[in-house]
Amino acid sequence: QKEVEQNSGPLSVPEGAIASLNCTYSDRGSQSFFWYRQYSGKSPELIMFIYSNGDKEDGRFTAQLNKASQYVSLLIRDSQPSDSATYLCAVKSTGGFKTIFGAGTRLFVKA
Amino acid sequence: GAVVSQHPSWVICKSGTSVKIECRSLDFQATTMFWYRQFPKQSLMLMATSNEGSKATYEQGVEKDKFLINHASLTLSTLTVTSAHPEDSSFYICSAVGDRGGDTEAFFGQGTRLTVV
Repeated sequence: QKEVEQNSGPLSVPEGAIASLNCTYSDRGSQSFFWYRQYSGKSPELIMFIYSNGDKEDGRFTAQLNKASQYVSLLIRDSQPSDSATYLCAVKSTGGFKTIFGAGTRLFVKA
Repeated sequence: GAVVSQHPSWVICKSGTSVKIECRSLDFQATTMFWYRQFPKQSLMLMATSNEGSKATYEQGVEKDKFLINHASLTLSTLTVTSAHPEDSSFYICSAVGDRGGDTEAFFGQGTRLTVV
């Protein structure tokens, strides 16, 4: 079992719709969870981080964490073509600085 | 957010030569730096973790004699790909953790695209 799993996609949504990206992780003791966006040929950029169970909203983005289910998601409301990218879920391992990345989900927002 | 500068952004080298990539934290002290490699359409793969002033910790399967990492100061880490071969062609990215953002958020450099011909 991979440490951090994501559906590779591609996920295609129309402009203005809600895009839902999902991620599961295997280390039950993980404490920190991150969503990064990566455009082709570029370095990842942090979108959001979440530490506590529940929802965390920042503009059009909402991160959801359920530690009991070892599940974290990212919702993008009012999706725009500029949101088209690969979204990486990352989990910080227990007791260390190491951050484990999922394989990423490719998102296409159709104009 | 904090700034991590990676240089060069791209490099082409001949097979058998060595290439050095620099990663600098410009506005914070990076106690820990990470080096990743990313092949096309694949995710980031952690190569090694380096702490200032100590030897790097390499992930399983990464040759420490081929990928030399030096973290001599709190603002600079270098990755040297020695005796590069075409299969080393990849996108190399560093990230840094330090006194900006606490001990959880990592800031990424711009990445270096290495092409070995």
